Amino acid sequence: GQNIDQPTEMTATEGAIVQINCTYQTSGFNGLFWYQQHAGEAPTFLSYNVLDGLEEKGRFSSFLSRSKGYSYLLLKELQMKDSASYLCAVRARSGGSYIPTFGRGTSLIVHP
Amino acid sequence: AAGVIQSPRHLIKEKRETATLKCYPIPRHDTVYWYQQGPGQDPQFLISFYEKMQSDKGSIPDRFSAQQFSDYHSELNMSSLELGDSALYFCASSRGGFQETQYFGPGTRLLVL
Repeated sequence: GQNIDQPTEMTATEGAIVQINCTYQTSGFNGLFWYQQHAGEAPTFLSYNVLDGLEEKGRFSSFLSRSKGYSYLLLKELQMKDSASYLCAVRARSGGSYIPTFGRGTSLIVHP
Repeated sequence: AAGVIQSPRHLIKEKRETATLKCYPIPRHDTVYWYQQGPGQDPQFLISFYEKMQSDKGSIPDRFSAQQFSDYHSELNMSSLELGDSALYFCASSRGGFQETQYFGPGTRLLVL
């Protein structure tokens, strides 16, 4: 099985930077996804990391360290609309398939 | 820009009935994913298809089956519905496999009474 851990809730100020961590324990690791989900809406794909290092996409960056079983999502220049749940999902081999398993999500609250 | 289309958007069924959910991916996308999200729960991966072939299989019950057709749309067939099947079912599509950006549809909300 997999064990994926993220903080349940974080708060930050508009315009600031926030880092959301995700740690995991798994065998057959094959990549890590970050998604954003607003309440009652479909998830939005943010990033996919399979190699160690930092990937930057505009205000959002994602980092992966496979040896440490650790990833983070970095959000810069926070906006009120960034208030949402952020889901970390680990893709790993299970039988003959590669299965993404989601963490419980981090609820980010951005305040003025 | 075209998005992923799911139909129906809402569905109410009785226990032991069957349901078919449809997903129309973004044009030229060849990969489709199905997820189930129960109330207050994180999404659970059900199954995915790449170029009309099943690629990965997750926690999809044996009562469910899915396929991807020649026009790349996909259908999730659910039989012997149970109360616990009540959830949001999301379909996502990508072009070139899981490592590419996945675009999610708005979801089908299934309520089993």
